[in-house]
Parts: sequence; C-alpha cells; structure tokens
Amino acid sequence: QKEVEQNSGPLSVPEGAIASLNCTYSDRGSQSFFWYRQYSGKSPELIMSIYSNGDKEDGRFTAQLNKASQYVSLLIRDSQPSDSATYLCALTGTASKLTFGTGTRLQVTL
Amino acid sequence: DTAVSQTPKYLVTQMGNDKSIKCEQNLGHDTMYWYKQDSKKFLKIMFSYNNKELIINETVPNRFSPKSPDKAHLNLHINSLELGDSAVYFCASSQDPREVETQYFGPGTRLLVL
Repeated sequence: QKEVEQNSGPLSVPEGAIASLNCTYSDRGSQSFFWYRQYSGKSPELIMSIYSNGDKEDGRFTAQLNKASQYVSLLIRDSQPSDSATYLCALTGTASKLTFGTGTRLQVTL
Repeated sequence: DTAVSQTPKYLVTQMGNDKSIKCEQNLGHDTMYWYKQDSKKFLKIMFSYNNKELIINETVPNRFSPKSPDKAHLNLHINSLELGDSAVYFCASSQDPREVETQYFGPGTRLLVL
C-alpha cells in the first residue's frame, strides 16, 4: 500500500466550478499535511498547509483534514484555466520528511 | 535573483557515464535536499543536509553521492549512470529540517540517460 494515495486523473472541471482533490494516507502518525501545485515542466510550489482536523481557507482554496479517516482534500472554488496543473498531496511524520503522493492532474476547461 | 538554482537544467548522457548536478541557494537556509521525480510524477526525497551534515539518506543506490561544501551548496554526483536514473532531480532548501513550510524547490534538472 502506498503511503500517500491520490487519483492520478485527469480531473476535468469547467471554468467557475469547484474542483475537489482528494488524498488518503496510511500512517496514522502523520502530523502535517500540504498541498503543492506543479505546472508542467516546473517545480512544485506550496499552496496550502493544514495541521489539525477541520477546514482551512485561503482565498479560493480550502484544505480539509480528517485524521480519523486518514483523509485530506483540497477544494478550489471558481476554478480558472490557470489552475490547470498537477496537485501533489504531501505529509510529514515525526521525521519532518516530506512524503508525496503521485499527484492529481487538474484540467479546467473553458 | 533566483532563490534556488540548479545547473545544468538539462543533461543528456550515455549509460555508464558519471555526471554531477549542482545546487545553490541564496535564501540563507540551513537545510538542503535532493528529490527525484520519475516519469509518473512521483516525487521522492533522496538526501537532506542540515548545516553541511547529512540528516536524511533514503534507500538510494550508492552510485549517488551528495556533497555539501557549505550551507548554500549541495551537489549530487552520480556514478555509472543507468537508464532508470532518467528523471527530474529537484534541489530544495528550507529554514531548518522542521520548517517544511519554508521548503523552496529549485527549477529541476532533467536527466536523460541513453
């Protein structure tokens, strides 16, 4: 079983819609959770971090964490074509080492 | 000014060759990393150095040898290159090992082994 699982996609949503990206993880000791956005041919950039159960909002982005279900998600409201990218879920345990999922490719269509 | 820079950006080489990738950061960070991203976009940590000392050494063939001459530089030398080494290698740096939020990635080096 992979440590961090994501659906590879592509997830296709129309412009203006809500994109919902999901991630599950296997290690219950995981402590911190992150979402990175990676455009094609570019490096990953951090867009959200979440450390406790519940929701965390930043602009059009909302991260949701449910440690009991070992589930973290990212919602993107009012999706724009510029949001088209691969979204990587990542987490750290006690070792502060980032473990990544394989990413979900998001396509926002006009 | 580029925060984390890598050279070269592209590297095409033959199997069996030895090659190096260089990384420099001007953020004043104490911790630097090497990651490998394969063709399926899976990004995995290889090494991490804090103040020039190795703190993370994942299960990586010993053909890969990192070297940190100072806090601002972390180089990666690869001996006897194999086809499976073809990937994008990202350097990153962070304030310290615990402050993952401050981790900043370089532009990547695209390695193709023929």
